[in-house]
Amino acid sequence: DAKTTQPNSMESNEEEPVHLPCNHSTISGTDYIHWYRQLPSQGPEYVIHGLTSNVNNRMASLAIAEDRKSSTLILHRATLRDAAVYYCILSQTTSGTYKYIFGTGTRLKVLA
Amino acid sequence: NAGVMQNPRHLVRRRGQEARLRCSPMKGHSHVYWYRQLPEEGLKFMVYLQKENIIDESGMPKERFSAEFPKEGPSILRIQQVVRGDSAAYFCASSSRLAGKTYEQYFGPGTRLTVT
Repeated sequence: DAKTTQPNSMESNEEEPVHLPCNHSTISGTDYIHWYRQLPSQGPEYVIHGLTSNVNNRMASLAIAEDRKSSTLILHRATLRDAAVYYCILSQTTSGTYKYIFGTGTRLKVLA
Repeated sequence: NAGVMQNPRHLVRRRGQEARLRCSPMKGHSHVYWYRQLPEEGLKFMVYLQKENIIDESGMPKERFSAEFPKEGPSILRIQQVVRGDSAAYFCASSSRLAGKTYEQYFGPGTRLTVT
């Protein structure tokens, strides 16, 4: 299974942009890149996903490297509510199955 | 529009007992996934089911664990003869899916199983 590597933790000041990196050097051509975040004692919450092109939505932006071996989740203005563990996930679609491979995630701390 | 529902939210079992975890997917979703999360770790895929079918159970332990998603009613993850190592948070996710597309998985709040 393809793996993702993320820094264990990062800090950001409130209202500043945050760039959360993810390496996935063994990604295959059909793997999508998803980002989820998890607040304490809650289930993961969808943030954004993409395949090859950069993506934007109301929560964040996703920048995908041209070779797809890495990606960056961008939170444009961090708030205290953005403090969570952020997971970069590859979804594999092989042989009719579709599952998420979670990494260990990055714990984001937002400073007031 | 209710999200994914899981019950119970907390479950305490003694070693050797059975644990039954329930998951009701979002309305209109016919794909269900179960994941397990140990403390301070990421989620690990266990099983992927569609109505009445197990599609991928590559992450399920070979013994004591089973899952089903009947035609009517919630998906059930069943753990027989629980041991302390089964203590974890179990998350269910659901999705809709059309051929050739990918749809995000929506996660429930989880069931926290404690084995004493």
